[in-house]
Amino acid sequence: EIVLTQSPGTLSLSPGERATLSCRASQTVTSTYLAWYQQRPGQTPRLLIYGASSRATGIPDRFSGSGSGTDFTLTISGLEPEDFAVYYCQHYGIAPPCTFGQGTKLEI
Amino acid sequence: EVQLVESGGGLVQPGGSLRLSCVASGFSISTYEMNWVRQRPGKGLEWVSYIDGSGGAMFCADSVKGRFTSSRDNAKNSLYLEMNNLRAEDTALYYCARDYFDASGTAFDIWGQGTLVTVSS
Repeated sequence: EIVLTQSPGTLSLSPGERATLSCRASQTVTSTYLAWYQQRPGQTPRLLIYGASSRATGIPDRFSGSGSGTDFTLTISGLEPEDFAVYYCQHYGIAPPCTFGQGTKLEI
Repeated sequence: EVQLVESGGGLVQPGGSLRLSCVASGFSISTYEMNWVRQRPGKGLEWVSYIDGSGGAMFCADSVKGRFTSSRDNAKNSLYLEMNNLRAEDTALYYCARDYFDASGTAFDIWGQGTLVTVSS
């Protein structure tokens, strides 16, 4: 089973700054199967990025994903107040199981 | 509006059973694979189970294998999670989530609001 490790655990930044969140897989994964989600406090998770770099419908272009192999990155350029949330990476391949990283909390 | 609505959560004693439901609106679940994901209080996301479009293939996480079963009734546009022999560590908010895939990748694109299961004596 693939294990995803996210870093840092908590990231403290200010509105307008750039956030860089990391997700490292325990073995090489296909980029097609790597996704990122945002979860605001008290809300349901929201798909941001899938296929490592494709933005989901309605996601602002300040969110971007990159990476390959075992190292993937979510970048948020020009943080807005509503971006302060917890972010999860996910590996979901051609067959279960699906795994999530432990999350990165982005705080002001 | 495309939407998933879960129900059936509640307080149950250890060893007890519960059946969660997830009703879809705005789309037909018959053409989608579906999943259950849970989130323990204050913790991260944990995938629980997957079921294919016909209900012919179902997989569960090792932590619930042999105790949880996912099923679906496409005619009712509904997904179910049968949970038996519940343990305190099953206490969580349970979400149903829709599979999405295209040429770029796969993910869970639609999530319900969740239903809370509390296992306690």
